Amino acid sequence: DTEVTQTPKHLVMGMTNKKSLKCEQHMGHRAMYWYKQKAKKPPELMFVYSYEKLSINESVPSRFSPECPNSSLLNLHLHALQPEDSALYLCASSQDRRGTGYTFGSGTRLTVV
Amino acid sequence: QKEVEQNSGPLSVPEGAIASLNCTYSDRGSQSFFWYRQYSGKSPELIMSIYSNGDKEDGRFTAQLNKASQYVSLLIRDSQPSDSATYLCAANTGFQKLVFGTGTRLLVSP
Repeated sequence: DTEVTQTPKHLVMGMTNKKSLKCEQHMGHRAMYWYKQKAKKPPELMFVYSYEKLSINESVPSRFSPECPNSSLLNLHLHALQPEDSALYLCASSQDRRGTGYTFGSGTRLTVV
Repeated sequence: QKEVEQNSGPLSVPEGAIASLNCTYSDRGSQSFFWYRQYSGKSPELIMSIYSNGDKEDGRFTAQLNKASQYVSLLIRDSQPSDSATYLCAANTGFQKLVFGTGTRLLVSP
C-alpha cells in the first residue's frame, strides 16, 4: 500500500460548524504532515507529527487542531473557521529521516461559507 | 528573499521538445531537493529527488543539482501534452520541514 488516503474529498461548512479531516497511511511512515494550499499558490506547512508527537506547529491559528491517534492516522479538527480558510488541505507522510520525499494524499477541498 | 524560488511561467514547449525547469534556494544547509508535478485541482506527485551534486536520470526526467550555485533543475525529454502541469521544486530546509517554490506552469502543445 503506497497511498495516503484523505476523507472527505470535499467539505462545505459554516463558520459555526465543527468538522474533522481524516488522513490514513499504511506505509509504515512515522512522520505525517498537514499542508494548506490556496489556488495558484504552493503548499504551506501547517503541522508535523513525528512518532505520533507534534513536532512542528507553523503558528497555525487555534481554530485548527491536529491530532495523531496512532502512527497510521492523522486528523485535523476544524472549529469556527473563516471564509479565508477555504483551501485544499493536504496530508502527507514520509520516513522520519532527513532527505526523504513526502507522499501526499489527494486532499480535502474545504469551502467555508 | 524566498527560500525556494521558481519562475512562474508559463513555459511553453512543443511536443517532443526538451522542457527545462529551474529553481534556486537560499538556505545553504538544505541537503535534499525534490520535484513534484501537480495537475490542476490535484495533489502534488513526487517525480524526482536529488541529494548529490550532478545529474540524476529517471526515464524522461533528469534532475540536476549544483550546491555551489544553489541551483536545481529538471529536464523533461520528449515532452508530451500529458506533461502539462505545474512543477513544484521543494527543499528540505530543516529536519522534517519541506518548503516549496511557487511552481512553474508547463504547457506542452501538440
